[in-house]
Amino acid sequence: DSGVTQTPKHLITATGQRVTLRCSPRSGDLSVYWYQQSLDQGLQFLIQYYNGEERAKGNILERFSAQQFPDLHSELNLSSLELGDSALYFCASSPRLAGYETQYFGPGTRLLVL
Amino acid sequence: AQTVTQSQPEMSVQEAETVTLSCTYDTSESDYYLFWYKQPPSRQMILVIRQEAYKQQNATENRFSVNFQKAAKSFSLKISDSQLGDAAMYFCAYRSASGVGNQFYFGTGTSLTVIP
Repeated sequence: DSGVTQTPKHLITATGQRVTLRCSPRSGDLSVYWYQQSLDQGLQFLIQYYNGEERAKGNILERFSAQQFPDLHSELNLSSLELGDSALYFCASSPRLAGYETQYFGPGTRLLVL
Repeated sequence: AQTVTQSQPEMSVQEAETVTLSCTYDTSESDYYLFWYKQPPSRQMILVIRQEAYKQQNATENRFSVNFQKAAKSFSLKISDSQLGDAAMYFCAYRSASGVGNQFYFGTGTSLTVIP
């Protein structure tokens, strides 16, 4: 158990819908990352937050948005869902903005868009 | 942006044998960190080993060791005495040690099969 929690574990929805994925980082970790992993694909970095502020942006679609709240949990919002958005979405956290510390990954949320 | 390349999409190894997974990266920075992650069929991402670029000594964690060649920008993972539980997807990752918003850059992964 990495200490990072993600809810829900599984999500099935229809095209055009909107969903929210939630992540609680490890206690004390200020930095949160979101990744998308499609079937048999590598990890695509979406976005990073540090202590409530957006700090890095990767290949995140305009239909997707995220935020980190004062209690440090983070939410990833996916809207106007398409079939191609079906994937495993990981949240990871690390203690600081930069440094030697690894990221600790949550178990992921499996999203299926029908 | 930095790039991480894993040129071996699939590898296989006999149980109890040794296998080496390759990783190269492209960066103009001198200070950074490198990581190997394992993703078993459960899809959970697990840290295997990490290396600080300023350290010349190769990192070792039990049966896992790395061969870090800074000049060649190479960071390979050696798994000794392979076990069935080592079967997984392995990802190499890079992180800058300076600047802000230091995201992790991941390779595309190597799928390792362990043959009994």
